[in-house]
Amino acid sequence: AQSVTQPDIHITVSEGASLELRCNYSYGATPYLFWYVQSPGQGLQLLLKYFSGDTLVQGIKGFEAEFKRSQSSFNLRKPSVHWSDAAEYFCAVGAQLGSNYKLTFGKGTLLTVNP
Amino acid sequence: GAGVSQTPSNKVTEKGKYVELRCDPISGHTALYWYRQSLGQGPEFLIYFQGTGAADDSGLPNDRFFAVRPEGSVSTLKIQRTERGDSAVYLCASSLGGGGASTQYFGPGTRLTVL
Repeated sequence: AQSVTQPDIHITVSEGASLELRCNYSYGATPYLFWYVQSPGQGLQLLLKYFSGDTLVQGIKGFEAEFKRSQSSFNLRKPSVHWSDAAEYFCAVGAQLGSNYKLTFGKGTLLTVNP
Repeated sequence: GAGVSQTPSNKVTEKGKYVELRCDPISGHTALYWYRQSLGQGPEFLIYFQGTGAADDSGLPNDRFFAVRPEGSVSTLKIQRTERGDSAVYLCASSLGGGGASTQYFGPGTRLTVL
């Protein structure tokens, strides 16, 4: 069965600083990988996704993530954080088994941005 | 266009009562998913519909939980004899098709509190 680990429960950065959120996954085949962001009272919004091809994927709001098969990682990065980026971030892996498909999420990383 | 909507946004009930949570997917999306998000956790898969049928209900925790999608659009998650441990945010997502290539779009969730 697939699983996702987000090692950092809470990260605090200063506005304008760079950001990297870690994600490690476990899955037997080539995974579908996703990063979602959840602001208080809001639904999950997709930031970016990886299916195949170029291992560096660009997303919305200036985020990018790099798929590293050898490390089973899919870390999320942003060069300069804005105060509005404060939210909870979830990494997820999608697994297909026959006609069935499900997303498995990590426990999330809460991002605080200091002015 | 309209996104995924869920009603009610909040539901408070007493232990032992029956509740229904509704999800309106994005028009034309054939796949619909229910997830449960407990405090401090990532969303956990409950059930996946492709059209009117439940393609995968392996995430439903027990037989008190049931979901329907009779016309292949709106879905209702039904919980019988609610328990305090059922308190969580219930998220619905829809996608154009099933499978990993189709992005899941999430609704804002229904926060269920069982007293």
